[in-house]
Amino acid sequence: EIVMTQSPATLSLSPGERATLSCRASQSVSGSYLSWYQQKPGQAPKLLIYGASTRATGIPARFSGSGSGTDFTLTISSLQPEDFAVYYCQQDYNLPWTFGQGTKVEFK
Amino acid sequence: EVQLVESGGGLVEPGGSLRLSCAASGFNFKIYNMNWVRQAPGKGLEWVSYINGAGTYIYYADSVRGRFSISRDNAKNSLFLQMNTLTAEDTAVYYCVRFGVVNAFDLWGHGTMVIVSS
Repeated sequence: EIVMTQSPATLSLSPGERATLSCRASQSVSGSYLSWYQQKPGQAPKLLIYGASTRATGIPARFSGSGSGTDFTLTISSLQPEDFAVYYCQQDYNLPWTFGQGTKVEFK
Repeated sequence: EVQLVESGGGLVEPGGSLRLSCAASGFNFKIYNMNWVRQAPGKGLEWVSYINGAGTYIYYADSVRGRFSISRDNAKNSLFLQMNTLTAEDTAVYYCVRFGVVNAFDLWGHGTMVIVSS
């Protein structure tokens, strides 16, 4: 099983600041199979990034993804109030498909 | 509207069974691979099961293999999860999730809560 480890667990930032979220896989993952999701309280997750770096439909340009192999990054260039949420990375390169434990982006 | 709507959750005693349903609308259901993903209260996301469009390929997480069964009825645009021998560790919100052509979970239902407790 590929273990996805996200860091930090919590990121305390202010609106307008840059957020950098890390996701590390226990073994190499093809970038085509690495995705990022956003989840707000009481809501289902929403796809943000697929293929490590491609924004899903309707996702603002302030969200960007990068990385390859075992190290991937989600960057939010300038935090908006609606971006405070939990973010998960996920691989579907190998079964079982696995998620990271999540990074909570909270108000500082 | 493109959407997935789950139903069938509820309170069940340990050892009991429950059948979840997911109604798909607004897209060509039969060509999409589908999944169930769950989230225990206050916890992260856990992939549970996958079924391809034709229903010929099925996979399960180790935690549910042998107890859960995924199926679909393409004529009725529906996905199912039969859950048997439930334990407290199965308590979670269960999401019906579409696996899109971009190799990602691109459409999620609102979820249905399953509580296993005596």
